[in-house]
Amino acid sequence: DTGVSQDPRHKITKRGQNVTFRCDPISEHNRLYWYRQTLGQGPEFLTYFQNEAQLEKSRLLSDRFSAERPKGSFSTLEIQRTEQGDSAMYLCASSADGGLGNQPQHFGDGTRLSIL
Amino acid sequence: AQTVTQSQPEMSVQEAETVTLSCTYDTSESDYYLFWYKQPPSRQMILVIRQEAYKQQNATENRFSVNFQKAAKSFSLKISDSQLGDAAMYFCAYRTSGGGADGLTFGKGTHLIIQP
Repeated sequence: DTGVSQDPRHKITKRGQNVTFRCDPISEHNRLYWYRQTLGQGPEFLTYFQNEAQLEKSRLLSDRFSAERPKGSFSTLEIQRTEQGDSAMYLCASSADGGLGNQPQHFGDGTRLSIL
Repeated sequence: AQTVTQSQPEMSVQEAETVTLSCTYDTSESDYYLFWYKQPPSRQMILVIRQEAYKQQNATENRFSVNFQKAAKSFSLKISDSQLGDAAMYFCAYRTSGGGADGLTFGKGTHLIIQP
């Protein structure tokens, strides 16, 4: 168990640029989740995948946000035309969930995004 | 929509003493799961303890235990024999059960300080 891996750890970019983050889940985990955490707040759920299927995306913050998990393994989260308000920590989590919702989610270290 | 409220932004306790962190939630569902996660400074979120709503018995994990009051929609975390390594942000989280289970709903967190 190598844990959930996220890359990069930090990303600094100018407003208006596109950014992409990568998440590698624990290898046998079928579910993968993305969260956003702003300063002083708890994580906010954005989207999740079961294998390669994106089962919930209505919580993505705007149409500038998109996520993929093309082969049911790693996932990417892309933010287009970044804005100051996108500055936050983006967390990825994975779980081996059979659909009951009772399995714990294991979190990565997160990617901290700073918009200049 | 479910909401999770942590009314204590910060708590302080002497090393070796006991502290209780409060959490209340709002839901119309009868079956769900509750979690406490710990987030040390600049480190990843770690699961501390979880509780299935259908179980009346309170969950325990070594020095960590919960007081789950389903009717009151209350889910507090008790940490006994506090240690310096317990210092962290603690988040209470809710997740629905079954096929509709998706992401966790988190509270805003409680910052726990351990005084040596």
